[in-house]
Amino acid sequence: AQSVAQPEDQVNVAEGNPLTVKCTYSVSGNPYLFWYVQYPNRGLQFLLKYITGDNLVKGSYGFEAEFNKSQTSFHLKKPSALVSDSALYFCAVRDILSFNKFYFGSGTKLNVKP
Amino acid sequence: GAVVSQHPSRVICKSGTSVKIECRSLDFQATTMFWYRQFPKKSLMLMATSNEGSKATYEQGVEKDKFLINHASLTLSTLTVTSAHPEDSSFYICSANSFPRVNEQYFGPGTRLTVT
Repeated sequence: AQSVAQPEDQVNVAEGNPLTVKCTYSVSGNPYLFWYVQYPNRGLQFLLKYITGDNLVKGSYGFEAEFNKSQTSFHLKKPSALVSDSALYFCAVRDILSFNKFYFGSGTKLNVKP
Repeated sequence: GAVVSQHPSRVICKSGTSVKIECRSLDFQATTMFWYRQFPKKSLMLMATSNEGSKATYEQGVEKDKFLINHASLTLSTLTVTSAHPEDSSFYICSANSFPRVNEQYFGPGTRLTVT
């Protein structure tokens, strides 16, 4: 079965500092990995995805993620955090063997303080 | 970009009644729609997968008779919570994708259900 894990419930960072939100994965075959962001009482918004190619993936709003096969990780990063980045972040994996279902991690709340 | 809407955005119902939530793809034909439930501590749980014109596939532990899913057309899926109870109160989110762009999954804004 495909799964992702987000080991941190919450990440706190000061505005202007770099941020990292962690995700590790467990998949059969090639991983199809995604990051989504959710603002309060809203649906999920797509940030970026890794399917194949370069290990460093660039996405929306200045976010990027690094795919690391040896560590089975797909951490989300941003060089300089903004207060407006404060939200809930989800890592996800697509199960290509089962209707292309997406399975989500438990989510990480990012707090960026001024 | 592709837009998915949900209606209603918020609903309050009495215990024992049924409530229907609609999920629509506004500018594309959704081959597959997914229903998620988000619990208070933020975990997003996949409830079921529905393909247009066929029966939904439910995840383990999700009651089929309680959460009725219908995917009658390529732009509409409905989730009906039957005989709702307070423990069914939650945030329900749908998403959709369209073959062959199966890596693109578009999410609705969610529906907050409160059962009193």
